[in-house]
Amino acid sequence: GIQVEQSPPDLILQEGANSTLRCNFSDSVNNLQWFHQNPWGQLINLFYIPSGTKQNGRLSATTVATERYSLLYISSSQTTDSGVYFCAGGQAGSARQLTFGSGTQLTVLP
Amino acid sequence: NAGVTQTPKFRILKIGQSMTLQCAQDMNHNYMYWYRQDPGMGLKLIYYSVGAGITDKGEVPNGYNVSRSTTEDFPLRLELAAPSQTSVYFCAHAAWSNQPQHFGDGTRLSIL
Repeated sequence: GIQVEQSPPDLILQEGANSTLRCNFSDSVNNLQWFHQNPWGQLINLFYIPSGTKQNGRLSATTVATERYSLLYISSSQTTDSGVYFCAGGQAGSARQLTFGSGTQLTVLP
Repeated sequence: NAGVTQTPKFRILKIGQSMTLQCAQDMNHNYMYWYRQDPGMGLKLIYYSVGAGITDKGEVPNGYNVSRSTTEDFPLRLELAAPSQTSVYFCAHAAWSNQPQHFGDGTRLSIL
């Protein structure tokens, strides 16, 4: 199966700062999703983005499928953005199965 | 709860006991999934289902069983609980295989 590598593993920001999280895949994927796990453990789907760019408020994501990576941008960070951000990918033919990365632990300080 | 309910939220089992984790969705979605998340790690797929009566193994199926008799319910069964199964279990659903997955709040399971 594919390998999913996320960077950085940990990130500490001051409120109001911007950040970029990266996700690299060992092989091509046609199903790519970003999730946020809040401090209470809930997993929220942020983006389904197999290619291109999407924006949702202060968050945006870009996937360059040909180069096998995706970026998640967080602008004007808030303390409520804290938590773990996971990317996950699935391949053609086995698109039902997502492989998750180990996550980026984000802490936003007031 | 993203249209999916998991019960119980917490459970402590003794080694060798069995239990069923319940998952119910009200979105009429065909695709349902069970994941486990160990401390500090990402999620690993245990089993998935593409519709009523159809299930298949994921990455870590050993020690678990599932059934899918209705579109709404996708229970996960542990037959002989082992300490290695201590984890947080998440159920998820999606309208199709290439659609966003939405997760329940999880079941925190400890086996002592």
